[in-house]
Amino acid sequence: GESVGLHLPTLSVQEGDNSIINCAYSNSASDYFIWYKQESGKGPQFIIDIRSNMDKRQGQRVTVLLNKTVKHLSLQIAATQPGDSAVYFCAEKARTGTYKYIFGTGTRLKVLA
Amino acid sequence: DTAVSQTPKYLVTQMGNDKSIKCEQNLGHDTMYWYKQDSKKFLKIMFSYNNKELIINETVPNRFSPKSPDKAHLNLHINSLELGDSAVYFCASSLGGGAEKLFFGSGTQLSVL
Repeated sequence: GESVGLHLPTLSVQEGDNSIINCAYSNSASDYFIWYKQESGKGPQFIIDIRSNMDKRQGQRVTVLLNKTVKHLSLQIAATQPGDSAVYFCAEKARTGTYKYIFGTGTRLKVLA
Repeated sequence: DTAVSQTPKYLVTQMGNDKSIKCEQNLGHDTMYWYKQDSKKFLKIMFSYNNKELIINETVPNRFSPKSPDKAHLNLHINSLELGDSAVYFCASSLGGGAEKLFFGSGTQLSVL
């Protein structure tokens, strides 16, 4: 089934600390996952993606971890900066046979100075 | 150059009116989408077109009619607007139906009064 958002969770982090944003995905057939960042008044922007044959992928200051056993995805942001303040979404998709990307509820990250 | 561009950015209209939102992508992608984002930031897919052919139609009222004149354009026409249609509408595109990133436009904020 699809994830249904009831409210927008908020994570407040001190500037310079690491942030961890979690996501539970819904479809066990999903094998491709993406994290997006949405700043106020803008569209979601790609951050990092991971395929199901991996359990970890690193980018610049960001790391995505995938636990297929419990259908859990996390985004770690190192040394969080004020510019990281945004709403973060995970999205899941089956790599073939569907064009449908399903988005999670979203988490608002607030960076405290 | 903006990869996925949609117009207008803001749309304020009265209940019962008919309005259109236009979207264009210059990425050479085969697949385009319309997503609706509600006040709680939840992103839900509405439609998807692949090479001008409708491939996803997600339980959207008949008042919403997408049109794809070519694979670089996907417009959304809404008849008889209702208060509940107020939301931010995002156009997006992807290369095809595999494990590919989704690229979003900057959104159209629709307010129905």
